[in-house]
Amino acid sequence: SQELEQSPQSLIVQEGKNLTINCTSSKTLYGLYWYKQKYGEGLIFLMMLQKGGEEKSHEKITAKLDEKKQQSSLHITASQPSHAGIYLCGASRGGSQGNLIFGKGTKLSVKP
Amino acid sequence: IAGITQAPTSQILAAGRRMTLRCTQDMRHNAMYWYRQDLGLGLRLIHYSNTAGTTGKGEVPDGYSVSRANTDDFPLTLASAVPSQTSVYFCASSRNIQETQYFGPGTRLLVL
Repeated sequence: SQELEQSPQSLIVQEGKNLTINCTSSKTLYGLYWYKQKYGEGLIFLMMLQKGGEEKSHEKITAKLDEKKQQSSLHITASQPSHAGIYLCGASRGGSQGNLIFGKGTKLSVKP
Repeated sequence: IAGITQAPTSQILAAGRRMTLRCTQDMRHNAMYWYRQDLGLGLRLIHYSNTAGTTGKGEVPDGYSVSRANTDDFPLTLASAVPSQTSVYFCASSRNIQETQYFGPGTRLLVL
């Protein structure tokens, strides 16, 4: 079965610093989703990548999918306290279920 | 209503009791999902529905049942709660299967 490994598990950065979170799959990804979760709240959709080499940006967050479609990265530029939370990558299983499998998450803390 | 709502926000339940978690979406999405989130295990699919009138089992369906009488509502029932069902439950929906999923705020359930 497809597994998603996220690294690092947790990250503490100083406000204003850049950071990268990685998501690696044991199988080719056919739809890679990035979500953000604040403690005690639901998941907020950030971006979805499908094509090898695809890159998307929203405000200061950029997500990339490698050419082989087995690894994705999420890069935050000039981090702010509002970026703090848990970042989850999810991948489509395919088939009739349509559900996502998720990585364990990366907990990001941003020190002011 | 905007997006997905879940009720209750949290609940403490005695073991053996029956409980229904409610989920309603106003986006006219065809597909809906129930996940549970547990520390160290991440998000796992309980049940799903590709369209009104149909449901399917996910990764961890035992002890849970669902129904999809209409497009908007997707209730999750615990027939006889057990302590291992203590978790945070998230409902999600997508326009169709294999499309971006949007999550509700979650229900925190404690079974004693």
